[in-house]
Amino acid sequence: EPEVTQTPSHQVTQMGQEVILRCVPISNHLYFYWYRQILGQKVEFLVSFYNNEISEKSEIFDDQFSVERPDGSNFTLKIRSTKLEDSAMYFCASRETHSNQPQHFGDGTRLSIL
Amino acid sequence: AQSVTQPDIHITVSEGASLELRCNYSYGATPYLFWYVQSPGQGLQLLLKYFSGDTLVQGIKGFEAEFKRSQSSFNLRKPSVHWSDAAEYFCAVGAEVLTGGGNKLTFGTGTQLKVEL
Repeated sequence: EPEVTQTPSHQVTQMGQEVILRCVPISNHLYFYWYRQILGQKVEFLVSFYNNEISEKSEIFDDQFSVERPDGSNFTLKIRSTKLEDSAMYFCASRETHSNQPQHFGDGTRLSIL
Repeated sequence: AQSVTQPDIHITVSEGASLELRCNYSYGATPYLFWYVQSPGQGLQLLLKYFSGDTLVQGIKGFEAEFKRSQSSFNLRKPSVHWSDAAEYFCAVGAEVLTGGGNKLTFGTGTQLKVEL
């Protein structure tokens, strides 16, 4: 069964550094998402992306965050200047064309900011 | 705004016993409802979904859920729990978006299931 893959599985970064989290969505999917889960808390929506532009973003997704689909397969989340509170598990998800199809999630990237 | 409440943070059941995990949602229109399961260190695996039609939906691993509009609930059930079902379970609500993407999911805080042998 096709899967969403995320790399790396664990990223350790110094505060203030830039970090890029990578995702390869399922190949025929057109809608892409990033969510995060701070340890012990619920999964929170960050941003959705369709047709090469952001379709919706949450309050969390401020100017420090950006997303990009640099080629036909990858979908990236960049945090420009990381803060301690950015430490979390970041999940990428994708879904097919119709909104009545579920989002499929990757295994996540654990981001640790020191 | 959409929201999800999972009132039980932790639940412990004996292997072979039945299970019901509660989920209540708040959404202005007909919601899209999902249950996901997360094992330690893993991602979110879809158990089942409800969009329309039959209010009792079947999922993977022997799970089912029933949509009750009058109670704004979408409880997850399993008649006989296996030790491998120990994990965290998340209920989520999404919206239909006809154009332009979106359809973000709003998750509950999760229910941690422990299975006693």
